[in-house]
Amino acid sequence: EVQLVESGGGLVQPGGSLRLSCSVSGFTFSSYAMHWVRQAPGKGLEYVSGISSNGGNTYFADSVKGRFTISRDNSKNTLHLQMSSLRADDTAVYYCVKGTGTTAIGRVFNSWGQGTLVTVSS
Amino acid sequence: EIVLTQSPGTLSLSPGERATLSCRASQSVSTTYLAWYQQKPGQAPRLLIYGASSRATGIPDRFSGSGSGTDFTLTISRLEPEDFAVYYCQQYGNSPLTFGGGTKVDIK
Repeated sequence: EVQLVESGGGLVQPGGSLRLSCSVSGFTFSSYAMHWVRQAPGKGLEYVSGISSNGGNTYFADSVKGRFTISRDNSKNTLHLQMSSLRADDTAVYYCVKGTGTTAIGRVFNSWGQGTLVTVSS
Repeated sequence: EIVLTQSPGTLSLSPGERATLSCRASQSVSTTYLAWYQQKPGQAPRLLIYGASSRATGIPDRFSGSGSGTDFTLTISRLEPEDFAVYYCQQYGNSPLTFGGGTKVDIK
């Protein structure tokens, strides 16, 4: 069974940093692109970032470009999202998402974690 | 960036009725790269349809997708009680990947 478990969320002040992690099991992590999608309270889904299976290609929404970085450790079956210069509008549940192939573009999302809440507030 | 506009924002229907949800793109989307997701309160989204018309594993055949170019449709032939939820379309062929704003299907 595919499992995606996010961690690292919490309360952070504006301008601060936070690192999210996603620990996976139930599939060969190194064979699949991975993504982060967020959802602000009461709002819709927003794509944040994606990374190809070997980490060679990364993608970011314009709203987070230059502030967030995505990485993966295929030896530890773990995905990370390093967030810096956080703003109030980054407040959201962040979902770790598995793609259906090695590339981050052109592949649908077929498994989602339960999400971790990030709150940016003073 | 491809902007996806979903309509209506809310659809109020009764169990057994047919639901028709629309997703319109700001520029042409290859049918290969259009998906639909369902999200229930407190839950993560679930993939329903990919490639505009292919049902994901385990999805009942009352769910169907159609369309091409800039206009796509999700149809639920007969609403079951568990189908009342929010539905999102997504294009995954162009970076940045984007989602529509969602359509809520609620009980009339």
